[in-house]
Amino acid sequence: AQSVTQPDIHITVSEGASLELRCNYSYGATPYLFWYVQSPGQGLQLLLKYFSGDTLVQGIKGFEAEFKRSQSSFNLRKPSVHWSDAAEYFCAVGGADSWGKLQFGAGTQVVVTP
Amino acid sequence: EADIYQTPRYLVIGTGKKITLECSQTMGHDKMYWYQQDPGMELHLIHYSYGVNSTEKGDLSSESTVSRIRTEHFPLTLESARPSHTSQYLCASSEYTDTQYFGPGTRLTVL
Repeated sequence: AQSVTQPDIHITVSEGASLELRCNYSYGATPYLFWYVQSPGQGLQLLLKYFSGDTLVQGIKGFEAEFKRSQSSFNLRKPSVHWSDAAEYFCAVGGADSWGKLQFGAGTQVVVTP
Repeated sequence: EADIYQTPRYLVIGTGKKITLECSQTMGHDKMYWYQQDPGMELHLIHYSYGVNSTEKGDLSSESTVSRIRTEHFPLTLESARPSHTSQYLCASSEYTDTQYFGPGTRLTVL
């Protein structure tokens, strides 16, 4: 069975500082990995995804993520956060044998301070 | 990027009422999903569909029902709303790559 762990429930970061959100997954085959962002009262917006190939993936809004198979991780990073990056971030895993269904992590709440 | 719409965005309704939450997408995606999400919490899959006339229950048991008569339309119905149904409901659709695209959500409050 697939599962996703986001160890950090809440992260506070200063504007302009770097940000890293952790994601660990469990999946029996080659995983498809996703990061989504959710602003209050809104749906989820896709930030980036990994299916295969280059393990460093670039996304929207200046985000990137690195797939590390040996660590079963897919951490999200941004070099310099903006106040507008304050939101909830969700990691998700799927795969060829999950028939389109994704398993989402519990999310990490990011607060940006001036 | 998929265009996916949900109506209404907000709904406040009394106990015992029948409600239907609408979800439509314009990208021709075969797969569609309904999630339930309490504020600040994780998403729970309650229904999904792989195409017309295909519906399945998700991982979280729900008293709601769904239908898929047209590819673009995936409504969710509660026959008799209760306060325990108060939550946010998110609809999504996906292409063959399994990338899911989400609508803006419906925030339901049952009094």
